[in-house]
Formats: sequence, C-alpha cells, structure tokens
Amino acid sequence: GNSVTQMEGPVTLSEEAFLTINCTYTATGYPSLFWYVQYPGEGLQLLLKATKADDKGSNKGFEATYRKETTSFHLEKGSVQVSDSAVYFCALSERGGSNYKLTFGKGTLLTVNP
Amino acid sequence: DAGITQSPRHKVTETGTPVTLRCHQTENHRYMYWYRQDPGHGLRLIHYSYGVKDTDKGEVSDGYSVSRSKTEDFLLTLESATSSQTSVYFCAISESGTSANEQFFGPGTRLTVL
Repeated sequence: GNSVTQMEGPVTLSEEAFLTINCTYTATGYPSLFWYVQYPGEGLQLLLKATKADDKGSNKGFEATYRKETTSFHLEKGSVQVSDSAVYFCALSERGGSNYKLTFGKGTLLTVNP
Repeated sequence: DAGITQSPRHKVTETGTPVTLRCHQTENHRYMYWYRQDPGHGLRLIHYSYGVKDTDKGEVSDGYSVSRSKTEDFLLTLESATSSQTSVYFCAISESGTSANEQFFGPGTRLTVL
C-alpha cells in the first residue's frame, strides 16, 4: 500500500537557519504530494503541494520539489522564523477504491529559537 | 478560513459509554473525512463520505460508525468507547475527490476515555 516516511523529530533550529525536512513516499501510481502544517492547538492547513513530477510547490518561503526518480518531496526554507515553529506533515493523495485519499507521514515537530 | 466547526471541542467520558462527535461545514463541499491523531502515528483516516448517505471505511474504522444525512453534517459515533480511542479527532472537507484536491481541516476534538 501507499506510505509516507518523513524524518523524525524533533528538529530544533535557531532563527534564520536553513531548514530541510526529508520526505519519501511509496505509491503504486502517480500521486499528488502535499505538505501540511499544524500550529499548536490548531488543525492542519495546507502549506504547499505538487501534482506531477518535477513540479515545485512553494508558499511562505517554503519550497518542495516532486522528485519521481527518488520518490521524494523534501521541504526546505532558507531562513526560518520563530513563527515557523509547528508540526509539519508530508502526505500523498492517490486513488483508493472509488475515491482519492490522503496518506500522512507521522509528522515532524520543528522548534525555532530566537 | 474554511467554515468547519467541530463539537464538542473537548470531552471526557468513561469506558463503555457511547460518544458522538459532530462536524459541521458551511462550504457545501461534497467530501468529508474523519481522522484521528495520535503521537507517533500522524493522522489516520477513520471514515469518509463522498455524498449524503454515501460513506466508506478508512484504515482504522473498527469501533467507529458514521452518518451523513445532510451535506453540512458528518457524525462520528463510538458505540462503546474504549481507552484506546482516546485521541484527537479531526474532521476535514474537500470540494471534490480528485488527487490534487486540498483538504481543509477543522480545529479538532480532544476525547479522553477513562
């Protein structure tokens, strides 16, 4: 079946540091890939997505490129801020039965210190 | 923000009692989902609905049932709660069931089963 593996946290960085959160996936077809973010006490919200190979999703300074050859979708940001502290989830969407469903990774907790 | 509310937001109950969680949306989206979030597991799909009275099971559906009698409401019922069902429950909605379609999440319900 489909699966998503993302780097285990927690990840602790200083403000303005470079961020990478690794994500790899296993899927039988051609999934769409997503990064969701969850701020403390809130639900998840979409950060960025990519729907086909070599697509780059970007939002709020975060980027991720859909790499089919390495089955990866790593999240990067050049300079993190304290406000980026949150849990980040990688996810894929692929057809299961008659509908598409999301499969999530386990999440990576990011803490950014001033 | 997508118009999704969940009720109650917090609930403490005892083993063996029935519990119903409600998800209400004002977006008129066709698809609705129930997930549970547990440490070390990320989000796991319990049940989903692709229309009024149309529902299907997710990966962790045992012990849960759902109902959707109108577009805006999706109910999750624990017929006889167990301590293993202590979790944070999230409802999500999406406009269509395509691979690239974003899911919007509610604020969550924290359920404790004693």
